[in-house]
Amino acid sequence: DAGVIQSPRHEVTEMGQEVTLRCKPISGHNSLFWYRQTMMRGLELLIYFNNNVPIDDSGMPEDRFSAKMPNASFSTLKIQPSEPRDSAVYFCASSMGNPNTEAFFGQGTRLTVV
Amino acid sequence: GENVEQHPSTLSVQEGDSAVIKCTYSDSASNYFPWYKQELGKRPQLIIDIRSNVGEKKDQRIAVTLNKTAKHFSLHITETQPEDSAVYFCAAGNRGNTPLVFGKGTRLSVIA
Repeated sequence: DAGVIQSPRHEVTEMGQEVTLRCKPISGHNSLFWYRQTMMRGLELLIYFNNNVPIDDSGMPEDRFSAKMPNASFSTLKIQPSEPRDSAVYFCASSMGNPNTEAFFGQGTRLTVV
Repeated sequence: GENVEQHPSTLSVQEGDSAVIKCTYSDSASNYFPWYKQELGKRPQLIIDIRSNVGEKKDQRIAVTLNKTAKHFSLHITETQPEDSAVYFCAAGNRGNTPLVFGKGTRLSVIA
């Protein structure tokens, strides 16, 4: 397995534009997590899914953020409209079984909103 | 909910010395404590983990200790090498339907 795959690796966009980040979890994993990493706040959990169902989205900062998992092999995180303070590295991670086993991270998407 | 505190935020050691990073957690139900290493520009990767039924675990130069009574756990790296330079994250979780909560990370610099 190639591991957790995220795209794009880098995204530069103008303030106000819509941004969509994509994630393909490891096959067989049934938990998927979206994290945001910044220097100030570290790794923050935004939302997580278990068996494609959103379990906890309390970490999503605002209504501008939304996430979907239409099937077991794909998830998206959307920001609309984007703002400069959304600039960060966004990681997707997946794990199998109970959510609290090893989480495997994707390479991340570095988002810059100008 | 769970809260994980990690110290120090930065740590510099001479090559060959030991490094210790400490974390505390708040939820007594937490029973899984992994440590992740993140090299510059890369993804966090698991280096060692411990569950609450053991107090210590070793893997070559790295070891983790857990004190459930005091709700703290530590990462120990012996004989540090320049390639150990990275950001290290501790995390805590339990068997409930909740994901890992991460500490804010420790930037370790090993000086040759």
